[in-house]
Amino acid sequence: GAVVSQHPSWVICKSGTSVKIECRSLDFQATTMFWYRQFPKQSLMLMATSNEGSKATYEQGVEKDKFLINHASLTLSTLTVTSAHPEDSSFYICSARDEGQPQHFGDGTRLSIL
Amino acid sequence: QKEVEQNSGPLSVPEGAIASLNCTYSDRVSQSFFWYRQYSGKSPELIMSIYSNGDKEDGRFTAQLNKASQYVSLLIRDSQPSDSATYLCAVMGGTSYGKLTFGQGTILTVHP
Repeated sequence: GAVVSQHPSWVICKSGTSVKIECRSLDFQATTMFWYRQFPKQSLMLMATSNEGSKATYEQGVEKDKFLINHASLTLSTLTVTSAHPEDSSFYICSARDEGQPQHFGDGTRLSIL
Repeated sequence: QKEVEQNSGPLSVPEGAIASLNCTYSDRVSQSFFWYRQYSGKSPELIMSIYSNGDKEDGRFTAQLNKASQYVSLLIRDSQPSDSATYLCAVMGGTSYGKLTFGQGTILTVHP
């Protein structure tokens, strides 16, 4: 149980394009979803927390207009990196949890901006 | 002082030995504690969760929690080369809506 699917797993695109990443909880309802990014040899950095049907809460220093988060249902959240640039290249990971349960992580999306 | 601290390692143990991973946290109202394993290039995977003082065993893994000392540990018995990974300690506060604070991770290497 507690499977989280993240798609796509790899994205390579040109600078200036927007990229959408999907995160789905497959066998449970995710009251809260989280988006992280991770640079090589560093720990996870939380970007934002989203609850179904409400606006995401962004961590300090994360541009909400750059990283658009939508949590439209209890099983789906999306992260859109708008006008991506090479410095946005990173490993993006989502996680999801139901009330009172641990966070379970998706497989991550490796984003490379050329 | 960091909120969640782990020795970054690397911790190297021989195959078959016990690996001991330690974590301290600063927020006394923390309620829930987790150990995640992360292989290189992969996302974290939940190994153990512990919520009350004492030991919790699951197969070769034992989590230990001491809230008075603000200390949580993970023991891996009969370590295998496949256990080689980064182990992340994560702490959830009482009113954080499930938000986790991670330690920087301990790199474990199990050598044959």
